[in-house]
Amino acid sequence: DTAVSQTPKYLVTQMGNDKSIKCEQNLGHDTMYWYKQDSKKFLKIMFSYNNKELIINETVPNRFSPKSPDKAHLNLHINSLELGDSAVYFCASSHRRSATNEKLFFGSGTQLSVL
Amino acid sequence: GQQLNQSPQSMFIQEGEDVSMNCTSSSIFNTWLWYKQDPGEGPVLLIALYKAGELTSNGRLTAQFGITRKDSFLNISASIPSDVGIYFCAGQFTGANNLFFGTGTRLTVIP
Repeated sequence: DTAVSQTPKYLVTQMGNDKSIKCEQNLGHDTMYWYKQDSKKFLKIMFSYNNKELIINETVPNRFSPKSPDKAHLNLHINSLELGDSAVYFCASSHRRSATNEKLFFGSGTQLSVL
Repeated sequence: GQQLNQSPQSMFIQEGEDVSMNCTSSSIFNTWLWYKQDPGEGPVLLIALYKAGELTSNGRLTAQFGITRKDSFLNISASIPSDVGIYFCAGQFTGANNLFFGTGTRLTVIP
């Protein structure tokens, strides 16, 4: 059973389109994240939600809007896609916020290609 | 954002050799972690370190939390082909919710 699953695995789309990536975790965690990995493999946090509440929102364009319908799901919606949005997007989850032994579990990523 | 630099950037080694890589930061972290990323997959946790000077092993992997709390080291002994991948260090502050990742070390093992 996949612990953190995200769909789709690959997403190819045209500039200007709107797209969504879904993420679900079955670990019973209450904190979820979105990370972006660029072409140089650098991983950077975008958002973090704890029990459906937004707790981290890095300097991400407001075209990116996360939505957490419940603590097991964190979806990422992107409006007006741009070429620079092409990257691999990783969903992750952890047991609880502000724990010193917090460990993140990652999904297998969504490779977004904007043409 | 936080800057975590890993070295080397990439390594090509023969199967059976030992590997060392390190990670340095401009900030003091309370937790250091090492992740491995296989192609087409997300990072997977290898080792977590919680105290300065701590040395922790996981099979053929050994990692250390630097005394200054600004660095960490990962060693892999007797490498095998499945060790191929990108190794990331990550630092975490106490009370923080997220990890700051290093620039990655890409390991290639030649059979």
